[in-house]
Amino acid sequence: GENVEQHPSTLSVQEGDSAVIKCTYSDSASNYFPWYKQELGKGPQLIIDIRSNVGEKKDQRIAVTLNKTAKHFSLHITETQPEDSAVYFCAASYDSWGKLQFGAGTQVVVTP
Amino acid sequence: GAVVSQHPSWVICKSGTSVKIECRSLDFQATTMFWYRQFPKQSLMLMATSNEGSKATYEQGVEKDKFLINHASLTLSTLTVTSAHPEDSSFYICSARPPGKQETQYFGPGTRLLVL
Repeated sequence: GENVEQHPSTLSVQEGDSAVIKCTYSDSASNYFPWYKQELGKGPQLIIDIRSNVGEKKDQRIAVTLNKTAKHFSLHITETQPEDSAVYFCAASYDSWGKLQFGAGTQVVVTP
Repeated sequence: GAVVSQHPSWVICKSGTSVKIECRSLDFQATTMFWYRQFPKQSLMLMATSNEGSKATYEQGVEKDKFLINHASLTLSTLTVTSAHPEDSSFYICSARPPGKQETQYFGPGTRLLVL
């Protein structure tokens, strides 16, 4: 099966600085990699995703990069704001049903 | 678009009773929905895949007789926790996949279950 590792587990950044979260996956057949933001007591919210035929994708302050050869992908948040504080999860799809294997999560704290 | 709701948002029940949680896709039809469980400060763990009109498929270690899943329509899946015990207390979250997006999953707001 798929195994996803995510680092760091916690990340504290000053407002305005950039935040980077990294994930690695084990199954070379995985071809879809979403990122979710989860606020306390709420369900995960899809913020960006990338498919294996693309190396990079950007949406305003958020970008994701994918290195298929190395089997790792990263989330980049620029110009961080206090409202970016949350837990971020990476995931990788596996099997024909498109199930998702989640990373352990990164607690991001943006301090004013 | 792609809104998923859950009901109830939280529930407290006595040990030994059963609890039903509903998951609805509000603005799209979902042939496949997923049920996850999340313990405090942990990641999401897939429990089962719910397919409209057929039996759910459960992940290894998840008791199908304890966690009953019914996907009776293209917009509704239900999870029933039977004979609940305190160790079943958790955050249960469903997700749904819109048609034409093979892997994309949109999540509901979650249901907090506390078994006393």
